[in-house]
Amino acid sequence: DAGVIQSPRHEVTEMGQEVTLRCKPISGHDYLFWYRQTMMRGLELLIYFNNNVPIDDSGMPEDRFSAKMPNASFSTLKIQPSEPRDSAVYFCASSLVVTGVASNEQFFGPGTRLTVL
Amino acid sequence: ELKVEQNPLFLSMQEGKNYTIYCNYSTTSDRLYWYRQDPGKSLESLFVLLSNGAVKQEGRLMASLDTKARLSTLHITAAVHDLSATYFCAVDAHNTDKLIFGTGTRLQVFP
Repeated sequence: DAGVIQSPRHEVTEMGQEVTLRCKPISGHDYLFWYRQTMMRGLELLIYFNNNVPIDDSGMPEDRFSAKMPNASFSTLKIQPSEPRDSAVYFCASSLVVTGVASNEQFFGPGTRLTVL
Repeated sequence: ELKVEQNPLFLSMQEGKNYTIYCNYSTTSDRLYWYRQDPGKSLESLFVLLSNGAVKQEGRLMASLDTKARLSTLHITAAVHDLSATYFCAVDAHNTDKLIFGTGTRLQVFP
């Protein structure tokens, strides 16, 4: 299996521009999570989906952030307009919850390093 | 609200020494996960602990879970430089399928 795939791996943009981050979860996984990691705030959960449906978006910082999952193999996280304080590494992770198996182990993608100038 | 605390936050240790990283959490949970993150890299799953008393070992690392004490430990035996990384514990948030991560412990092993 290729694991969780994210693109782009690096993104440099100017303040005010729209940024779209992409994620392909592990095939067959039914949960998808978006995280943001910074030195100051650590690892933060932004939003997660179950079977393509958003379950909890309480971690989304503000209306400039939006996420979609149009199908089981693709999700996007969009920032519009971007600001310098959005600079961070954004990780996507996926998991499979199997009835009778308690584990919620998540598998992380390589991340997208976003720099907003 | 579930809180997960790790200590120490930073650990500098000499090769060959033993040490333990602690992970405390605030509410009932019987599932805990340990991850490793190398600088500039992603998080890699190390251990999955699914019940009270669970113990897992991989090489020089051993993880255990005490759900009654709400405590997990990650024990490092005879540290080597290759273990230098940041280690995160994460706990299942009750009645959800999301994980709450600790702040991480940055481990540096020097000769």
